[in-house]
Amino acid sequence: QKEVEQDPGPLSVPEGAIVSLNCTYSNSAFQYFMWYRQYSRKGPELLMYTYSSGNKEDGRFTAQVDKSSKYISLFIRDSQPSDSATYLCAMRGSGNTPLVFGKGTRLSVIA
Amino acid sequence: NAGVMQNPRHLVRRRGQEARLRCSPMKGHSHVYWYRQLPEEGLKFMVYLQKENIIDESGMPKERFSAEFPKEGPSILRIQQVVRGDSAAYFCASSHLLQPAGTDYGYTFGSGTRLTVV
Repeated sequence: QKEVEQDPGPLSVPEGAIVSLNCTYSNSAFQYFMWYRQYSRKGPELLMYTYSSGNKEDGRFTAQVDKSSKYISLFIRDSQPSDSATYLCAMRGSGNTPLVFGKGTRLSVIA
Repeated sequence: NAGVMQNPRHLVRRRGQEARLRCSPMKGHSHVYWYRQLPEEGLKFMVYLQKENIIDESGMPKERFSAEFPKEGPSILRIQQVVRGDSAAYFCASSHLLQPAGTDYGYTFGSGTRLTVV
């Protein structure tokens, strides 16, 4: 079993839809959970981070972490064509341990 | 703040040549991470460095690959005797020193170096 599992998609939705992206993980030592967005031929950029379990909201984006289920989610409300990108979940344990990434989900928002 | 600077953006090497990838971290960041991204794959951790120290190289192939982060100058990822399978995007990221518990600013990534081995 891979440490972090993420459905690669592709996922195609109409503009304005609510998008749900998910990852599961196996390492119970993970404490910091992040979502990165990567546009084609660019470096990943940090969207959201969450420490331990709980929800975090930032504008149209909501990140959820359920440590008991080892499951994290990113919700995008009122999706826009500019949200079309690959979304990567990432997580790590304590200290400056390296981030472990999912494979990424490719999202297309159709106008 | 110029962010994480990687160069070159694109690098073409013939099989057997050496590839040298450079990364300058964000100002104030002393931790550097190298990741490799193959087509349709996620980011795979290679090595984590601080100034003059390799902290974790568990993701580095045992042969042909090496990394350094000298006291002065950028971090360098060196691939000797490149093969076609080394063709990938190589990303460098940097971060702050250890965060207070419960906070994390994640990594700031550069735009990557796309290595093509012909």
